[in-house]
Formats: sequence, C-alpha cells, structure tokens
Amino acid sequence: DTGVSQNPRHKITKRGQNVTFRCDPISEHNRLYWYRQTLGQGPEFLTYFQNEAQLEKSRLLSDRFSAERPKGSFSTLEIQRTEQGDSAMYLCASSSKQGGAEKLFFGSGTQLSVL
Amino acid sequence: AQSVTQLGSHVSVSEGALVLLRCNYSSSVPPYLFWYVQYPNQGLQLLLKYTSAATLVKGINGFEAEFKKSETSFHLTKPSAHMSDAAEYFCAVSVYGGATNKLIFGTGTLLAVQP
Repeated sequence: DTGVSQNPRHKITKRGQNVTFRCDPISEHNRLYWYRQTLGQGPEFLTYFQNEAQLEKSRLLSDRFSAERPKGSFSTLEIQRTEQGDSAMYLCASSSKQGGAEKLFFGSGTQLSVL
Repeated sequence: AQSVTQLGSHVSVSEGALVLLRCNYSSSVPPYLFWYVQYPNQGLQLLLKYTSAATLVKGINGFEAEFKKSETSFHLTKPSAHMSDAAEYFCAVSVYGGATNKLIFGTGTLLAVQP
C-alpha cells in the first residue's frame, strides 16, 4: 500500500491559464473522489468516480472544471481559464468499499495558487 | 440536510492535559460520523468512525469519541495530550445522495499543544 499520490504538490499559475492535476489512487481501489479545501474550511466534495465512470458531480464544479479517470486507474482534474477564486487545496481520496462507513484514504493534495 | 458543526476553531492545551474537541451533528437519519486528522502538508487520516455498533468509539493514537444521540454530539477526547497531537481535526458526517456516500466536513479545529 503506497498510498494515494497527487502531483504536483504545488502549482502557481496566472489567472486565465489552464492547469491539470493528477491523482494516483491505491491500486486496488475502484472508488475515487475529488475534494476542494479552502483556508479555514473543511474539504468540500467535488466529484466521484467508480472505476472509469464519473457518477456524480457537485454543483461546485463549474463548466471550467473537468475530471477524468481513463481505464479506472489514475484521475486528472483540469481547470480551464483559472480564476483567483480557484485558489485552494485539491484533495484526492480513494476507497474500495461501498457503504456509508467506508474509509477514505486521502492524498497530500495539490495546493493551487492563482495570481 | 445533514451537517456537522465544530465548536472552536482553535484549541490550545498543555502537554499531558485532556484534549476535548467538540462536534455536533444534524441528521434526520441515523448518521455515520467520522473524525479525521490533518498534519501540516499531509492528507487527511481517519482517526475513528461511528457506525452505530457502539456509542464509544476508540481510534488510533489514543483518541476516542462518544456518540450521544440526546445531545447530537460526537466529541473527540484524549486523556493526555502529546506534542505530536498538534494538527487540525475535522469532524464529518456521511451523506448518501446521488450515486454515492459523500463526507460533509466541519470547518476544523486546530489543536495546539504547549510544552
């Protein structure tokens, strides 16, 4: 178990640029989540994949955001035309068990700063 | 709608003193409740979870939490604080809606441990 890996750890970009983050979940986990965490707040749900299928998206995800999980392994989160309000920590989590008490394993996150 | 409220964004204790971090929940159905810890520059790690099996839940690193339905609370405690406990702690409730169970997090409590 090597844990959930996220890259890059930090990303600084200028407003209007596109950015892409990558998440490598624990290998046997078929469920993958993206969360966003802003300063002073808890993580907020963004989207969920079961295998390669994106089954749910939060209303927080505007049309500038897109996430993929080709082949049900790693996932990418792209933000187009970044805005200063997109500055946040983007967290990825994975799990293998369905149910309300499932345990999520979180990565260390990607800290995005939009200048 | 389900939610959690964490009372006190900052808590400071002396090493060896009791740790008490407060969490109240709101839920129209029996909830699944969690405490996660986040160390600086790291992802969230599960401390413990309540799934209705027992009201007193023991977790890692000597932490425990008690589910009190009458008080709608799920406070986190540790008898004796260590310096290594300094971190941010998040209470969360599992919400089923759409395709999956999502975690709704509180705003977090930053625990400082003084020598």
